[in-house]
Amino acid sequence: DAKTTQPPSMDCAEGRAANLPCNHSTISGNEYVYWYRQIHSQGPQYIIHGLKNNETNEMASLIITEDRKSSTLILPHATLRDTAVYYCIVRVVNYGQNFVFGPGTRLSVLP
Amino acid sequence: EAQVTQNPRYLITVTGKKLTVTCSQNMNHEYMSWYRQDPGLGLRQIYYSMNVEVTDKGDVPEGYKVSRKEKRNFPLILESPSPNQTSLYFCASRGNSGYGNTIYFGEGSWLTVV
Repeated sequence: DAKTTQPPSMDCAEGRAANLPCNHSTISGNEYVYWYRQIHSQGPQYIIHGLKNNETNEMASLIITEDRKSSTLILPHATLRDTAVYYCIVRVVNYGQNFVFGPGTRLSVLP
Repeated sequence: EAQVTQNPRYLITVTGKKLTVTCSQNMNHEYMSWYRQDPGLGLRQIYYSMNVEVTDKGDVPEGYKVSRKEKRNFPLILESPSPNQTSLYFCASRGNSGYGNTIYFGEGSWLTVV
């Protein structure tokens, strides 16, 4: 699986959009980009994933650059409950492969 | 509701006393795995199972055993726990096919070995 690079921490004001970047310059053509988050010490929670098109769901939007070497997770209106560690993972959709979690980005939403 | 359920959620035990952490999923997933999470080391995979009676080591399997006799259950066994196994443990399961086959985690089990 390709490696990812994320900033260790970010702050965001409550009500504003939180934009979390992820670099994955060695991503291969069949690797998807996944985002998970972990609130306190709860089990990591799936947010969104995509291959090359931008994706949106009820939680967030995922913007993937045209060359697929980086992506941005957007939380459109961050709330205090979005304070968490956010993980960007790239992997092939292959039944046997593991999800490898890096250190992620610690997002703090400030009142 | 799709769930991965772990028990116990909190446990304090003594060195050498065998314990089992149970994990059950209700999504008919074939793939299940165990992770441990330690400060500064992130989530590390202990064991995984691709189907009933099929298990394999992850990145940190030493001191652990697993079994997969039924599709829904994947218990983690510590035959002789030691203090360095004090950690937060997560069980996870994953969909078998389709777009993305995302992974679902349990709520975690805090284990302290004294």
